[in-house]
Amino acid sequence: GQNIDQPTEMTATEGAIVQINCTYQTSGFNGLFWYQQHAGEAPTFLSYNVLDGLEEKGRFSSFLSRSKGYSYLLLKELQMKDSASYLCAMPWSGGGNKLTFGTGTQLKVEL
Amino acid sequence: DAGVTQSPTHLIKTRGQQVTLRCSPKSGHDTVSWYQQALGQGPQFIFQYYEEEERQRGNFPDRFSGHQFPNYSSELNVNALLLGDSALYLCASSLRGAGYEQYFGPGTRLTVT
Repeated sequence: GQNIDQPTEMTATEGAIVQINCTYQTSGFNGLFWYQQHAGEAPTFLSYNVLDGLEEKGRFSSFLSRSKGYSYLLLKELQMKDSASYLCAMPWSGGGNKLTFGTGTQLKVEL
Repeated sequence: DAGVTQSPTHLIKTRGQQVTLRCSPKSGHDTVSWYQQALGQGPQFIFQYYEEEERQRGNFPDRFSGHQFPNYSSELNVNALLLGDSALYLCASSLRGAGYEQYFGPGTRLTVT
């Protein structure tokens, strides 16, 4: 089976940096996704990590450590529009492309 | 290039009724997955359709059923609605064999009263 844990809520200040953590347990690893979801809207793709290390994409970076079952999403130069839920997800270890999601981390960016 | 579309946007039903939700995948995609997202939770996988057959199923009762048409569009049917079925229903499309990324539609907000 699979299990994904991430904090429920985080608050950060506009212009700051925030790190959203995700830990997971899985019998087979096929990569890890991060999605952003604004209230009432569809999840939108942010990143997909298969190999260990940090991948940077503009203000957003994602890190993976397979040996530790750990990933984080780093958001720099926070903007008010970054207030959203950030979902950690993994393809099902049994094959196919069914995704298992964490509960999501609700990020609130304040002035 | 049209993305994933879903209809209707919002729906209000009464307990015990039946509902049908519709999804058109992104152009070029052949696989459709359905997810249920309760308020404050992550999406939960319901089932996936490819070549007009259900290929994978999550932990949902038989009240949840689906269909995929030859043009790859899909329907999600829920019978005997319960209050707990109130959620955002998301459709995601992908191309078989092209990796794990899925593209999500805007969702249908179902409220059961």
